[in-house]
Amino acid sequence: AQTVTQSQPEMSVQEAETVTLSCTYDTSESDYYLFWYKQPPSRQMILVIRQEAYKQQNATENRFSVNFQKAAKSFSLKISDSQLGDAAMYFCAYRSTSSGTYKYIFGTGTRLKVLA
Amino acid sequence: EADIYQTPRYLVIGTGKKITLECSQTMGHDKMYWYQQDPGMELHLIHYSYGVNSTEKGDLSSESTVSRIRTEHFPLTLESARPSHTSQYLCASTQGATVLQETQYFGPGTRLLVL
Repeated sequence: AQTVTQSQPEMSVQEAETVTLSCTYDTSESDYYLFWYKQPPSRQMILVIRQEAYKQQNATENRFSVNFQKAAKSFSLKISDSQLGDAAMYFCAYRSTSSGTYKYIFGTGTRLKVLA
Repeated sequence: EADIYQTPRYLVIGTGKKITLECSQTMGHDKMYWYQQDPGMELHLIHYSYGVNSTEKGDLSSESTVSRIRTEHFPLTLESARPSHTSQYLCASTQGATVLQETQYFGPGTRLLVL
C-alpha cells in the first residue's frame, strides 16, 4: 500500500523569503501523480501544483515549484517570495494511475506560518 | 473558487439524531469523495463514488452511508450521531475522465459537533 509522509508538522518563514516543505512517499508503482494542496484557515482546500511521475521536469506554478526526486521518492514544495496569504496547511497527496483506482492518499500536513 | 457546495457549513446536534450532510457540484464530475478531517490534521477518506449508483467505502471505518443517485449530488448520512462523529467533513470531486484531468476540487466543509 502507498503511504505519504510529511515530517514537518509546522514551518515558519519570513515574508519575502523562501521555504521548502518536505514530502516523501512509498510506492511500488512506476507511474503516479503527486499533488500539493493548500488549506487556508477556514477556507476551501485548493490545488497548488501537480507533478506527473513520468515527467522528469519539475513542475512550477508562479512562486511555487517542486523538487521531484523519483528514485528517492521525495516531492518537496518550494515557495519563493513568501506572502502572508501563503499561510495555510499544506498537504502532499499521491494518486495512482492504475486503472480503476480513484483514491488519493494524503499526508498529515504541514502548517506554514508566514511572519511579517 | 470551485463550484462545489456543502450544507450545512456548521451543525450542532444531539446524540442519536439522524443527519444528512449535503454535497453538490455543478461541474459534471464523475468522481466524488467524502473525507473526515479533525482540525489541523490529515484527511481520511470515508466514502467515494466513481459515478451514478456506484459507491465505495474508504480507508477509514465509518458508520455513515452515502448515495449517488444523481451525478451532481453525493449526500452523506449518519443514522445515529455520536460525540465520536464530531469532526469536519470535506466533500471533493474530480473530472477524472483521464488521469491527466485529475484535480480534486474541495467544498468548504461541514463542521459537525455532536453533543
